[in-house]
Amino acid sequence: NAGVTQTPKFRVLKTGQSMTLLCAQDMNHEYMYWYRQDPGMGLRLIHYSVGEGTTAKGEVPDGYNVSRLKKQNFLLGLESAAPSQTSVYFCASSWVTGTSYYGYTFGSGTRLTVV
Amino acid sequence: RKEVEQDPGPFNVPEGATVAFNCTYSNSASQSFFWYRQDCRKEPKLLMSVYSSGNEDGRFTAQLNRASQYISLLIRDSKLSDSATYLCVVIYRRALTFGSGTRLQVQP
Repeated sequence: NAGVTQTPKFRVLKTGQSMTLLCAQDMNHEYMYWYRQDPGMGLRLIHYSVGEGTTAKGEVPDGYNVSRLKKQNFLLGLESAAPSQTSVYFCASSWVTGTSYYGYTFGSGTRLTVV
Repeated sequence: RKEVEQDPGPFNVPEGATVAFNCTYSNSASQSFFWYRQDCRKEPKLLMSVYSSGNEDGRFTAQLNRASQYISLLIRDSKLSDSATYLCVVIYRRALTFGSGTRLQVQP
């Protein structure tokens, strides 16, 4: 009964390095999301996906790319990390019926520091 | 202007007190409304949904006023374990939009 699992939990990158954050859910949810949370800013949507093979930009997409090749996985990529991307990253998933949203579940977060 | 605005607090209250949080949202087309709770360095967790008719879950009462675009959360008989950040959340464009959160500290 894992729910939403994020890996890694912690990471330190040097400026310019690349990395991929993995989000996996075992609830058969259609929708998946990546958020970042900075102090005093709340959570801001980076990218989201409404189904396998589809992705869309959120509020703060610049500097990130995503892929949803399998329904259960949503990957967030940083091609060239910058100190401004130091943040806590949360993945979430949900399922939707019409305009009603159900089962919004978050992963435990990835703490990323870019030096 | 932020889509969802909250007073950041902190609200420092004694155990047993009643405390109320407010939240306003800017988009009248917002579809669904929630309160989430976030403990320090943890993921947000759903506290309760918010309906126009008002809804209650134990010591927690939530209310939505669509005309004023205003959401409230009332906590009665505060416990030490209620200390956390409370996030006001609305559904807009297929994703949750979060307020910055209101921090509550319940003191013995």
